[in-house]
Amino acid sequence: GAGVSQSPSNKVTEKGKDVELRCDPISGHTALYWYRQSLGQGLEFLIYFQGNSAPDKSGLPSDRFSAERTGGSVSTLTIQRTQQEDSAVYLCASSPTGSTNEKLFFGSGTQLSVL
Amino acid sequence: GQNIDQPTEMTATEGAIVQINCTYQTSGFNGLFWYQQHAGEAPTFLSYNVLDGLEEKGRFSSFLSRSKGYSYLLLKELQMKDSASYLCAVGNTGGFKTIFGAGTRLFVKA
Repeated sequence: GAGVSQSPSNKVTEKGKDVELRCDPISGHTALYWYRQSLGQGLEFLIYFQGNSAPDKSGLPSDRFSAERTGGSVSTLTIQRTQQEDSAVYLCASSPTGSTNEKLFFGSGTQLSVL
Repeated sequence: GQNIDQPTEMTATEGAIVQINCTYQTSGFNGLFWYQQHAGEAPTFLSYNVLDGLEEKGRFSSFLSRSKGYSYLLLKELQMKDSASYLCAVGNTGGFKTIFGAGTRLFVKA
């Protein structure tokens, strides 16, 4: 079936505006992750959803960042009052059960540019 | 703390062999992954090691020593298309997330 789908692929916004990034995981995958990748850097963990459990939000950098996952499928990452340092590629990944011995399937990411 | 170290950049010649090292210190360990990421694209899975030793898969091999907190990715018969970033990642038992290193950018030259 289809892989992990993210939209938009590119987003340019002005400082102070809110943005929403969307992720549609592989059907049947119960675990969903958001990572952030700044230019030339590794992947920074943001948030993890596993089934109906409370999400692991330990990686969210500030209270301007929030995420939800509706119906155990599609997830939205919201950044309020964007700042220039929020500019990065936001990657979503899913895995079948969320066990950390499973490989992650990544989407192509959303390139966010805050002017 | 949790830390994954790998070289920032490496350059190798087409047809040659290159070894990309990774050392890690994590609060829990549930296996080590290598992912390949071409510029502007999503990371894709290459290998997974949970036991000590060498896993071979075509031109790519991955090695793990848990006692040393050390892994390497070995790429043989390098091709130009192998130019990419290679991300070392650890499946962490201390929380349901995979922790990534900063990646090694490999440049393959003719």
